[in-house]
Amino acid sequence: GNSVTQMEGPVTLSEEAFLTINCTYTATGYPSLFWYVQYPGEGLQLLLKATKADDKGSNKGFEATYRKETTSFHLEKGSVQVSDSAVYFCALRRAQGGSEKLVFGKGTKLTVNP
Amino acid sequence: GAVVSQHPSWVICKSGTSVKIECRSLDFQATTMFWYRQFPKQSLMLMATSNEGSKATYEQGVEKDKFLINHASLTLSTLTVTSAHPEDSSFYICSALNRNRDYGYTFGSGTRLTVV
Repeated sequence: GNSVTQMEGPVTLSEEAFLTINCTYTATGYPSLFWYVQYPGEGLQLLLKATKADDKGSNKGFEATYRKETTSFHLEKGSVQVSDSAVYFCALRRAQGGSEKLVFGKGTKLTVNP
Repeated sequence: GAVVSQHPSWVICKSGTSVKIECRSLDFQATTMFWYRQFPKQSLMLMATSNEGSKATYEQGVEKDKFLINHASLTLSTLTVTSAHPEDSSFYICSALNRNRDYGYTFGSGTRLTVV
């Protein structure tokens, strides 16, 4: 089946540290991959996406590369800020039989300290 | 950009009453909307997929008579939690599929439901 596995948190970093949140997936075919961010008490916001192998999604200093050979889509940021504190979800889009849905990982909570 | 408005943002209701949550796409037509439930510190659980003008498709284990979904127009889907009980307390999030923007998903800001 289709599934997403991401590293368990929580992750606590100091400001300006390097961030990596691992995400791997299992899917038939070639799904589109996404990273969403959820700030406290809010819904999800799309952070970045990639629709095919070797695509790199980027936004707000975050990057993730669609690696088909390792079925991975790891999220990285070179220098985190306090404002990046949130929960990050990796997701894949599964389209099947005319319907589609997003499959989410369990989320990784990031806390960035000043 | 694409905006989805979810209302109310929080609601407290008494056990046994029903609560309706609205999800509106403000600047695009959403033929498909999704309803999720999120437990504390956990991921989003897809409850159902609603398509405009047809019955919602519920995920396994979700009671369709408990969680009534109506998608009567291209911009509005509603989730009604009927005869709510404390165990229904949760964070409910909707999302809308925008086929005009590379099939992007736009999420509402969520509704915190507390049943007392």
